[in-house]
Amino acid sequence: EAGVTQFPSHSVIEKGQTVTLRCDPISGHDNLYWYRRVMGKEIKFLLHFVKESKQDESGMPNNRFLAERTGGTYSTLKVQPAELEDSGVYFCASSQGQGAIGTQYFGPGTRLLVL
Amino acid sequence: AQKVTQAQTEISVVEKEDVTLDCVYETRDTTYYLFWYKQPPSGELVFLIRRNSFDEQNEISGRYSWNFQKSTSSFNFTITASQVVDSAVYFCALSEWEAAGNKLTFGGGTRVLVKP
Repeated sequence: EAGVTQFPSHSVIEKGQTVTLRCDPISGHDNLYWYRRVMGKEIKFLLHFVKESKQDESGMPNNRFLAERTGGTYSTLKVQPAELEDSGVYFCASSQGQGAIGTQYFGPGTRLLVL
Repeated sequence: AQKVTQAQTEISVVEKEDVTLDCVYETRDTTYYLFWYKQPPSGELVFLIRRNSFDEQNEISGRYSWNFQKSTSSFNFTITASQVVDSAVYFCALSEWEAAGNKLTFGGGTRVLVKP
């Protein structure tokens, strides 16, 4: 069974540009999470989808970040326009089930560098 | 608010030594879950263990063992007879039952370097 996949693995962009990150969860997992780790900081929660609906987006830093999960399958996280402080590693995770704590399985992350 | 503290930022050991990683957490919930993840040099976060707040039994899996103590709010992780392949960053995480969506709160991570 394929794990969580993320694309691209690395992205280098200039300040002000747009970047879109993609996450494909484990097949059958309704829950999809985005986290990020900026330099020297802890891994922080960004948002959580249950199927195509946003369950919790309390961790989204500002309105430059837009997450979607069309059809409840893969998800995209767009940063527009990117700022220097957006540099870091963006992780996606997925888990099974609703209403219970399922183990979150993580992807390899996307390393974003904003110059 | 929930918080996880991993006081050790980096630990260096020689192969075959034991190494213990500390994890202290804070939560107001009586029901919660604790996790450990491993991040090898390749970068992905690999799930190691999940423990709920009602199960204080220690667990052993091969060379890995975990010591959960609610009285001290700690969930420590020991690698016995360490190997070079254990070199990685290890993260402790907490999820509160009442938190919407069961989001994880991570500690800062402990980098383990096992030298041959």
